[in-house]
Amino acid sequence: ETGVTQTPRHLVMGMTNKKSLKCEQHLGHNAMYWYKQSAKKPLELMFVYSLEERVENNSVPSRFSPECPNSSHLFLHLHTLQPEDSALYLCASSQEPHGSRGPLYFGPGTRLTVT
Amino acid sequence: AQSVTQLGSHVSVSEGALVLLRCNYSSSVPPYLFWYVQYPNQGLQLLLKYTTGATLVKGINGFEAEFKKSETSFHLTKPSAHMSDAAEYFCAVTGRSYNTDKLIFGTGTRLQVFP
Repeated sequence: ETGVTQTPRHLVMGMTNKKSLKCEQHLGHNAMYWYKQSAKKPLELMFVYSLEERVENNSVPSRFSPECPNSSHLFLHLHTLQPEDSALYLCASSQEPHGSRGPLYFGPGTRLTVT
Repeated sequence: AQSVTQLGSHVSVSEGALVLLRCNYSSSVPPYLFWYVQYPNQGLQLLLKYTTGATLVKGINGFEAEFKKSETSFHLTKPSAHMSDAAEYFCAVTGRSYNTDKLIFGTGTRLQVFP
């Protein structure tokens, strides 16, 4: 499945580093999402963009900063992260927000380790 | 508001045996219901969804699920497990207002298939 791609696939960073995660969707969708997947916890919705406008921010710490320059690209800028931020970060897209009338298409994720 | 509960974080079956993964939901409005699968090192992929109409829904890879309103359940089944079915399975629910209803995921059930 190459509809949604994410880079890098793996990232190790120190707590003082700044890095960015990239997501690109080739499906012509209007909504894009960042999810955090941690062991033994439900998927956590972080941000939702609809037509390049942020429509949801679920109380995510400011050390995570999203950017959506166009409907095909989504970034997650990271700075001064904590070890508990280590997780799999999943990007997804859908034709409409929240996928209530259609499925979410997920990328393979970026496995982030904060040391 | 919606919520979803997946009973059993791990399920083990023998190859060829019946697969049954349980999902119960809570919703104040008629829900949309989904099952997603996540193979190792990949993102989530839609297996099947229920929106309206027939309560028995067929998905990919021989899986199906039945919406039972009286039991508030949407259990996933497959008559005969294959080794390639080993993965993590997520049930999800949303309401029907795509402007306000969020897609809520369960905590997942890891399926192991033994030869």
